[in-house]
Amino acid sequence: NAGVTQTPKFQVLKTGQSMTLQCAQDMNHNSMYWYRQDPGMGLRLIYYSASEGTTDKGEVPNGYNVSRLNKREFSLRLESAAPSQTSVYFCAGGLAAYEQYFGPGTRLTVT
Amino acid sequence: EDQVTQSPEALRLQEGESSSLNCSYTVSGLRGLFWYRQDPGKGPEFLFTLYSAGEEKEKERLKATLTKKESFLHITAPKPEDSATYLCAVQGTDSWGKFQFGAGTQVVVTP
Repeated sequence: NAGVTQTPKFQVLKTGQSMTLQCAQDMNHNSMYWYRQDPGMGLRLIYYSASEGTTDKGEVPNGYNVSRLNKREFSLRLESAAPSQTSVYFCAGGLAAYEQYFGPGTRLTVT
Repeated sequence: EDQVTQSPEALRLQEGESSSLNCSYTVSGLRGLFWYRQDPGKGPEFLFTLYSAGEEKEKERLKATLTKKESFLHITAPKPEDSATYLCAVQGTDSWGKFQFGAGTQVVVTP
């Protein structure tokens, strides 16, 4: 089992460009999450999906959109990238009240 | 609003020198407290879940404990391979599906 996979691993964007970060899990988890991690700030929740067909905002949702395509896949879209969105993005899967399993991350730089 | 504070921010240990990391939390009601380990350039890796005050969990040289206001991660006789950032997260009863993370404690163990 691959667990949680994320693509791409690295990405450089120019201000105003758009992109979609892909996440897939093969652990049959109902819940999936998107976080960003910045130095000294820990992991901050962007959006989460408690189950297929539902999504909810987290702590820092502005500038992002998500799609829960099916039980396995949860994508994060930046419609118009800004330098403030330079970060490491992690996707996670889990059962709502229990531990989460994280992907390897996507390192995004917006110039 | 759920809050998590971890201390110290960084800890440098000699191999074999035991120490403890602190995770102080504020939640309306605790559903669960989670410890993760994160190696540089990788996603967090689940270590423990604690649900109620007085509970303890152990894994190799690590032992996690929980009170009503804080959790400790004790590292006994650490080895260089225990070097990592340790993250604490909580889920409150009013925050179903959402996890609040602390900023982490970076641990370096030297031979």
